[in-house]
Amino acid sequence: QKEVEQDPGPLSVPEGAIVSLNCTYSNSAFQYFMWYRQYSRKGPELLMYTYSSGNKEDGRFTAQVDKSSKYISLFIRDSQPSDSATYLCAMTFGYKAAGNKLTFGGGTRVLVKP
Amino acid sequence: NAGVTQTPKFRILKIGQSMTLQCAQDMNHNYMYWYRQDPGMGLKLIYYSVGAGITDKGEVPNGYNVSRSTTEDFPLRLELAAPSQTSVYFCASSPGLSNQPQHFGDGTRLSIL
Repeated sequence: QKEVEQDPGPLSVPEGAIVSLNCTYSNSAFQYFMWYRQYSRKGPELLMYTYSSGNKEDGRFTAQVDKSSKYISLFIRDSQPSDSATYLCAMTFGYKAAGNKLTFGGGTRVLVKP
Repeated sequence: NAGVTQTPKFRILKIGQSMTLQCAQDMNHNYMYWYRQDPGMGLKLIYYSVGAGITDKGEVPNGYNVSRSTTEDFPLRLELAAPSQTSVYFCASSPGLSNQPQHFGDGTRLSIL
């Protein structure tokens, strides 16, 4: 079993729809949770960064963390064709001495159709 | 603002050849990382460094070596290239605090034939 599971998709939605992405994880020691967006032939870029359980909103993006269920989500409102990309969840224990290493999900490919 | 710069962007190697993937960051970050990403897969950590002169293995270190002589540079060395090392390699850096995330370069696409 992978430490972080993410549906690979592809997830195809019409422009303007809400995109819903999620990851499950097995290690309850993860403390910091991130969502990265990766365009084709580019490096991952940070979208959202949350600590522990709760919601965080930034413009059209909302990240949710439910530590009791070991489940994180990313919602994209009013999706645009420019949101078409692969979305990677990542998490870390947050131990500076351990290098703050990230554990990634496999990524979900999203396609927003005009 | 350059951020994390990786060179080369593309490379084709023959089996058994050696090469060094270069990574440089201009953000004065202490922590640097090397990942590989295979098709449809997430990123897997190869090596990381928490400062000049300090390196440690990640999840998939076999077949690779690293060094960190300066804060800015973190090269990744492949000594005897194998087809299984065909991948996209990403370098990342971070300040090192728990609430500060990693910043990535745009990757090196490496094919070994």
